[in-house]
This record gives sequence, C-alpha cells and structure tokens, in this order.
Amino acid sequence: EVQLVESGGSAVRPGGSLRLSCAASGFMFDDYGMSWVRQAPGKGLEWVSGINWNGGSTGYADSVKGRFTISRDNAKNSLYLQMNSLRAEDTALYYCARGYGSGSFYHFDYWGQGSLVTVSS
Amino acid sequence: EIVMTQSPATLSVSPGERATLSCRASQNVGSNLAWYQQKPGQAPRLLIYGASIRATAIPGRFSGSGSGTEFTLTINILQSEDFAVYYCQQYNSWPTFGQGTRLEIK
Repeated sequence: EVQLVESGGSAVRPGGSLRLSCAASGFMFDDYGMSWVRQAPGKGLEWVSGINWNGGSTGYADSVKGRFTISRDNAKNSLYLQMNSLRAEDTALYYCARGYGSGSFYHFDYWGQGSLVTVSS
Repeated sequence: EIVMTQSPATLSVSPGERATLSCRASQNVGSNLAWYQQKPGQAPRLLIYGASIRATAIPGRFSGSGSGTEFTLTINILQSEDFAVYYCQQYNSWPTFGQGTRLEIK
C-alpha cells in the first residue's frame, strides 16, 4: 500500500524557517517524481515545488522561488521542503504528492494527509 | 505560468442528475490535464488524467473530455458522495491548478 506521511509542520514567526519531511512507503520511491502542494485555509490547491526521480530537476512556484528548496533522499525514501523567510501567506496545509506520468511533468496519484504550517507573529 | 480557470465557481445540482464542470487553460496543454475531487478534511483524490482516462477505482459515472485549452468533467447520475470540490490541473509544464468548482446539493 502506498503511503505518504508528512511531518515537520508547526507555528513559526514571520521570517523564520521550517523543514518539512515526507516519508514514503509501499512503492519504489526512486521511480517517481514528487511534489509539494499546499492549501491555505478555506482556499484552493497551489503547487509549490517538484523534483524528478533523482533530484536532477527541480521547479518552484513563483510565490516561493528563492525561499524554498526541495530535495530528496532516495536511500531514506524521503522528500523534504526547506522553507526560509516564511511569510504569513505561506500559512497552509502542505501535502506531499507522488507524481505519475511518462513525461517531465505529471499529475498526482497519491497524496499524504498534510502537515500544517502556520506563520504568525 | 499556465493559468487554469474553472467554471462555474459553484454548481447546484440535484442527486440523480448530471453535473458538467468546465476548465480552461490559458495556453495549449494538449491532453495533459487531470481532475481531482476533494471532500472536507480530506486530501485530494485523483479522478481523471490524460484528460479522459479514469484513475484506478473511479466509478464509470465520472468522465472527462477535451484537449488543448477546453476541458470538461461530467458526472452522471449524481450520488450523495459526489458533492465535493473539484479541481483541474495541467501538467504540460510545471503544474498549476484551477481555483476549484464546488458541487453542492440543490
């Protein structure tokens, strides 16, 4: 059974940093691209960042470019999101999602349950 | 960035009827379009990918169509469990989502 379990979310002050983790199991982690998708309270889905199977290609939404860094450790079946210079508008539930598709970009066939990040003074 | 626009924002339909949801891309995305369903307190669930391919275990009453810039999700014979928020997502480039359509009971 495919499982994605996020952790690391918490309350942080503006300008602070957090590192989210996603532990994957039930599939060959290094066969898949992965992404982080967030959802602000009461709002829609926003893709945040994605990484290909070996970490050689990454992408970021304009809203987080230069502040967030995605990475993965295939030996540990884990995905990470380092978030720096956090702003109030980064407050959201952050989902880890598995990418599926034969091309460079993909849709998401499995999602975790999310990790809540709250940025507030 | 490819902008995805969904319409309507809210759709009111009676159980047993058909719902038609629309999604428009700001540029050609081919068939690289997915649809998701999200219920309160739950993660999104993949319904359709490749514009028209049902994901695993998705009932046949869900169907997708379209290509290029215009896409449609149709739900036939609405069941009570179908009332939720629906999102489209393009993956012709780095992904972007539509703002969602809330399907509510009429």
